[in-house]
Amino acid sequence: QSALTQPASVSGSPGQSITISCTGTSSDGGGYNYVSWYQQHPGKAPKLMIYDVSYRPSGVPDRFSGSKSGNTASLTISGLQAEDEADYYCSSYTSTNTVVFGGGTKLTVL
Amino acid sequence: EVQLLESGGGLVQPGGSLRLSCAASGFTFTTYAMSWVRQAPGKGLKWVSGISAGGGSTYYADSVKGRFTISRDNSKNTLYLQMNSLRADDTAVYYCAKAQSSGSGSYYRSFYYYGMDVWGQGTTVTVSS
Repeated sequence: QSALTQPASVSGSPGQSITISCTGTSSDGGGYNYVSWYQQHPGKAPKLMIYDVSYRPSGVPDRFSGSKSGNTASLTISGLQAEDEADYYCSSYTSTNTVVFGGGTKLTVL
Repeated sequence: EVQLLESGGGLVQPGGSLRLSCAASGFTFTTYAMSWVRQAPGKGLKWVSGISAGGGSTYYADSVKGRFTISRDNSKNTLYLQMNSLRADDTAVYYCAKAQSSGSGSYYRSFYYYGMDVWGQGTTVTVSS
C-alpha cells in the first residue's frame, strides 16, 4: 500500500493556474476512476474538492478541476486566490480493496 | 446540519487499547459507508479502515489489520474503531468520514472508497509510555 506520488510543494501567484500531479500504478490510481482530491488548511479537517477524477461537489468553485491520464491524476486550480493556500491530497481505491492517499502537496500562493 | 463528532481519543501506553466513537447527525447514517482516516503529527493523511452501510463488510489498511476493528451501530448513528495492541506509530489525529453515494432506488450505492464528503473534527490518540 505505497502512497500515491505527489510533489511536495507547488506555488503560484494570485490569478495564475497551477497543477498538482498524483501518480500511482495500474493497481491504484491508474486503474480506477475513484480518484478524489482533498484540501486541508492547517489545523482543520480535510475538505473534498474533486471526486471520481473530475467531478466537483456542490459548493466547490469551478476554478478547481480534475483529470487523469494513464496512471497520473491531476488537480488544476485556475485563478489562484490567497485562500487556496493549503495542503492538497489525492486518494484512490486500490486493487486490494483499500484506499491510498498521496503524500500531500503544500500549495503556496505567492 | 450534517455533522460527525469523534470522541474517545487520549493518551495510552504501548500495547494498550482504546475505542474511538463517531456520532453522526443530519443525514441518514444507515445508508452511507464510512471510513476512519488518520494523520500523524506533521504528516499526511492515511486511510485506516472502511465499513459498508449495513456494517457487514469491513476493510483495513495492512498496518492495522488484526489490531483494529471497525464497527457501527446504526440504531445509534455511531461509528466505532476499536484499537488494540497500540504502538507509538499509531499516534495521530483520527478522523471519521462519510462516503458519498451514487444512484437512487435499486441503483443506489455508497462505498467506502467513494469520495469522503463529510469529516469530523478529529480526535487525538497518543501512544506513549
